[in-house]
Amino acid sequence: EDQVTQSPEALRLQEGESSSLNCSYTVSGLRGLFWYRQDPGKGPEFLFTLYSAGEEKEKERLKATLTKKESFLHITAPKPEDSATYLCAVTGTASKLTFGTGTRLQVTL
Amino acid sequence: NAGVTQTPKFQVLKTGQSMTLQCAQDMNHNSMYWYRQDPGMGLRLIYYSASEGTTDKGEVPNGYNVSRLNKREFSLRLESAAPSQTSVYFCASSEVLGDVEQFFGPGTRLTVL
Repeated sequence: EDQVTQSPEALRLQEGESSSLNCSYTVSGLRGLFWYRQDPGKGPEFLFTLYSAGEEKEKERLKATLTKKESFLHITAPKPEDSATYLCAVTGTASKLTFGTGTRLQVTL
Repeated sequence: NAGVTQTPKFQVLKTGQSMTLQCAQDMNHNSMYWYRQDPGMGLRLIYYSASEGTTDKGEVPNGYNVSRLNKREFSLRLESAAPSQTSVYFCASSEVLGDVEQFFGPGTRLTVL
């Protein structure tokens, strides 16, 4: 059974204080690892897909990396508008997404 | 493009009542999905449709039925609602089934009393 564990559950940062969110996974035959952002009361919004160990992708202040056992979402000099829940998900040989429970990020002034 | 739309946004049911959640996408996607999101549980797949004319069970299908009405529309039906079905329901779509990004709707918040 595919499993995704995200840590920490919640993270509070000051504006400009860089940090990383962790997503560790066990999956039979990783086909893709996905990061989503979810704002309160809204549906998840796609951020990145990573397909193989060593791959990295960037978007504004966010950078996602992938190893054989985990992925990191690095947030550089965050702003209050980066506050959201960040979800990690994987697809394996079953071709269906398995989600983690997310990291709630709060960025304060 | 509206993307993925869901109706209704909110619904309150009594135990035993039935209802249908509607979902439509305008991206010409082949695959569509229904998830539920509960605190501390993450998003869990209820049913999915890999392509028009096909539907399959996901992780938590009990108590639900689905209909892929056409390529655009995928509905979720609760025949006899139970308090355990209180949740936020999300519909999603993707170009194909598999390792591609899914696009989510805004969700339906359902309370069963």
